[in-house]
Amino acid sequence: GAVVSQHPSWVICKSGTSVKIECRSLDFQATTMFWYRQFPKQSLMLMATSNEGSKATYEQGVEKDKFLINHASLTLSTLTVTSAHPEDSSFYICSAKSYRGLGEETQYFGPGTRLLVL
Amino acid sequence: EDKVVQSPLSLVVHEGDTVTLNCSYEVTNFRSLLWYKQEKKAPTFLFMLTSSGIEKKSGRLSSILDKKELFSILNITATQTGDSAVYLCAVGQGGSEKLVFGKGTKLTVNP
Repeated sequence: GAVVSQHPSWVICKSGTSVKIECRSLDFQATTMFWYRQFPKQSLMLMATSNEGSKATYEQGVEKDKFLINHASLTLSTLTVTSAHPEDSSFYICSAKSYRGLGEETQYFGPGTRLLVL
Repeated sequence: EDKVVQSPLSLVVHEGDTVTLNCSYEVTNFRSLLWYKQEKKAPTFLFMLTSSGIEKKSGRLSSILDKKELFSILNITATQTGDSAVYLCAVGQGGSEKLVFGKGTKLTVNP
């Protein structure tokens, strides 16, 4: 249980184009999903918290007009990198909150999307 | 500022060795501490700890939390080459759904 998928797994695009990344919870419903970015040899940095049916909450320093998040259903959140630039090249990972029983909740991660902007 | 510090940053051992990875934290309103294993892709969940002194165990891996001293350890016994990965520690806070991650410990197990 608690499987999270991401699509695509990697993408190469030209500077100035927009890229959409999908995050799906496959066997559970997730009212809350999270988007992280990870640069080489760095830890995960939270970009935004995505709540179903409402606006995402962005972390300080993350441009909400550049990184558009839509959480249209309980199993799908999308991240669109608009007008991508080479410095946006990174590993983007989503996670979804799920309950493990005994009242515990944790985050389960998708496999990540590697973005390269030329 | 909330922070999670892991040590060592990297570790190289031989198969069969036992390793201990450390995670200390300073966060407001601590709720839980989680350990993840990250190989080439996204992190996979290992343990969630909420109570002090209760060891959680899964095969050769075990972990314990000390809420008084604000740290946790992850032990791996009889290491195998497949244990090579980056191990991430993250702390969850009450009143927030966010996790604060440490920088990770890169473990390399040589045959």
